[in-house]
Amino acid sequence: DSGVTQTPKHLITATGQRVTLRCSPRSGDLSVYWYQQSLDQGLQFLIQYYNGEERAKGNILERFSAQQFPDLHSELNLSSLELGDSALYFCASSVPGGWGYTFGSGTRLTVV
Amino acid sequence: AQKVTQAQTEISVVEKEDVTLDCVYETRDTTYYLFWYKQPPSGELVFLIRRNSFDEQNEISGRYSWNFQKSTSSFNFTITASQVVDSAVYFCALSEATDKLIFGTGTRLQVFP
Repeated sequence: DSGVTQTPKHLITATGQRVTLRCSPRSGDLSVYWYQQSLDQGLQFLIQYYNGEERAKGNILERFSAQQFPDLHSELNLSSLELGDSALYFCASSVPGGWGYTFGSGTRLTVV
Repeated sequence: AQKVTQAQTEISVVEKEDVTLDCVYETRDTTYYLFWYKQPPSGELVFLIRRNSFDEQNEISGRYSWNFQKSTSSFNFTITASQVVDSAVYFCALSEATDKLIFGTGTRLQVFP
């Protein structure tokens, strides 16, 4: 157990639907990062939150949004899902400074 | 802008062969961190090593070794006497002051018995 918890582990949904992925960071970590790993795109950085505030944005689609709550857990919302959104979504947490990252086991999203 | 390049898409070796995975990075920062992760078929990301930009010493951990050369912006990973269990996708990654971790495209290593 890495200390970063992602739920659910697997999700199958239909095109056009909306889903929410949840991440609980390791105790003490203030930063949460979301990554998307699809077959043809590798590991793409989506977004980072630090202590509740958005800190950095990567290649995140407008149909996707995220937030970090006061208890530091984070949610990634994916809407109007398309087949191409099928991917493994990772959450990671870290302490400030970029020295160490702890990854969750991922949520595998399948859009049918 | 930061960038990580792993030019080797896939490598196949026979057990007990040595194999080197290449990683070249780009950054404008003087302070940065480099990482290697392993992703086995089960899908999780397994941390292997991190190195900060001020420490160019090579590191050896069992059959694994890493060669960090700032002069060529490279952080290569060597597996000695490869084993079937080493079969996985290996990612090199870079982080700067902004903290986000940027990954290379990965190298798929297949070790055949």
